[in-house]
Amino acid sequence: DAGITQSPRHKVTETGTPVTLRCHQTENHRYMYWYRQDPGHGLRLIHYSYGVKDTDKGEVSDGYSVSRSKTEDFLLTLESATSSQTSVYFCAISDPRTYEQYFGPGTRLTVT
Amino acid sequence: TQLLEQSPQFLSIQEGENLTVYCNSSSVFSSLQWYRQEPGEGPVLLVTVVTGGEVKKLKRLTFQFGDARKDSSLHITAAQPGDTGLYLCAVLARHAGNNRKLIWGLGTSLAVNP
Repeated sequence: DAGITQSPRHKVTETGTPVTLRCHQTENHRYMYWYRQDPGHGLRLIHYSYGVKDTDKGEVSDGYSVSRSKTEDFLLTLESATSSQTSVYFCAISDPRTYEQYFGPGTRLTVT
Repeated sequence: TQLLEQSPQFLSIQEGENLTVYCNSSSVFSSLQWYRQEPGEGPVLLVTVVTGGEVKKLKRLTFQFGDARKDSSLHITAAQPGDTGLYLCAVLARHAGNNRKLIWGLGTSLAVNP
């Protein structure tokens, strides 16, 4: 199994509060991704990174920001959480040649 | 509009039955990936198909890439309860210049009953 961990695994927060999710990998892969998964929408890309301090927006980036100061860590921040951001969030790393992706266990976030 | 259409959306079968699920598109792709996601976990890569007409086998799972590289199928022989999960297909697409990202289907949710 790829060495990818996510923290926290579960979180309940109130509308308007900031939330940071962490993804940590031990594989030294340059490419990292944040997705959200919702019924009826599937996996949607939020942000991705192709290296330290090299990040870009995905298809559903509004309300989210990311940072990558070290190869192994990719942080996703919800500056002011809203109920529409209740979801399961997955981090992934990928092989830069094939883009085959390896996922973390996910974080279930509930915004009340 | 989904770039990738997966069918059926849901499938419930008895242990020992055979089944086929599909991933279809009107576009041509250089490769296609299949993943399985078990409840409460992240997707896990099963296989990547690259060549039109290619067939790959993974134990009781047989994957085929269409000749025109627009579609793919996954056939499971003698399904087991451990095959239960969400089966996702994904293809590579250009995003923002030279960057690339995976485009995902919505998946087929399979339940294999003992």
